[in-house]
Amino acid sequence: GAGVSQSPSNKVTEKGKDVELRCDPISGHTALYWYRQSLGQGLEFLIYFQGNSAPDKSGLPSDRFSAERTGGSVSTLTIQRTQQEDSAVYLCASSLNSAGANEKLFFGSGTQLSVL
Amino acid sequence: KNEVEQSPQNLTAQEGEFITINCSYSVGISALHWLQQHPGGGIVSLFMLSSGKKKHGRLIATINIQEKHSSLHITASHPRDSAVYICAGAKASNYQLIWGAGTKLIIKP
Repeated sequence: GAGVSQSPSNKVTEKGKDVELRCDPISGHTALYWYRQSLGQGLEFLIYFQGNSAPDKSGLPSDRFSAERTGGSVSTLTIQRTQQEDSAVYLCASSLNSAGANEKLFFGSGTQLSVL
Repeated sequence: KNEVEQSPQNLTAQEGEFITINCSYSVGISALHWLQQHPGGGIVSLFMLSSGKKKHGRLIATINIQEKHSSLHITASHPRDSAVYICAGAKASNYQLIWGAGTKLIIKP
């Protein structure tokens, strides 16, 4: 597609349920980032994928959070046993190469997760 | 102290004013990004720069590597420029992005 696509755009779930959030980066982009943004707060780094390298998972807040990137393209962020504090907008971004290597970032429109 | 600091945190100005938003960083970075986030909207990349100055329309971004400082300027500001402006530095060591807290800009007509 022309841009970074995220689905679903909204997700309402009950506390304790598992959720999967999907990100389709721009075709050919090797770098993919997941962030979350709580209401009125800045961006919180979650995980970074770069090509075939091991992902940088240093931002994942707990072991309930995991992410994978299949075939170097689509990424899925999974939150197990959701808690109310997981409610936030989850944003995905991609860049052609690493965002430090003089590459612009392209963001998806996010998934608004609400845990009741 | 945050590794990337923005100022001001909030800025309200009248339409037509020249706007400056500042970003200082304390770590080695390979590039600095300026992004825009409208209320309820997505995030749009405005600039990515590692030296000098870039201009796009009414927006100008500058960076001084020695002083570890970047500025985003908006000339002839307009109410549609109202948004949160965020700077982020890409760490030279691992390319992880370090985010500023954002500057909320309101332009009044």
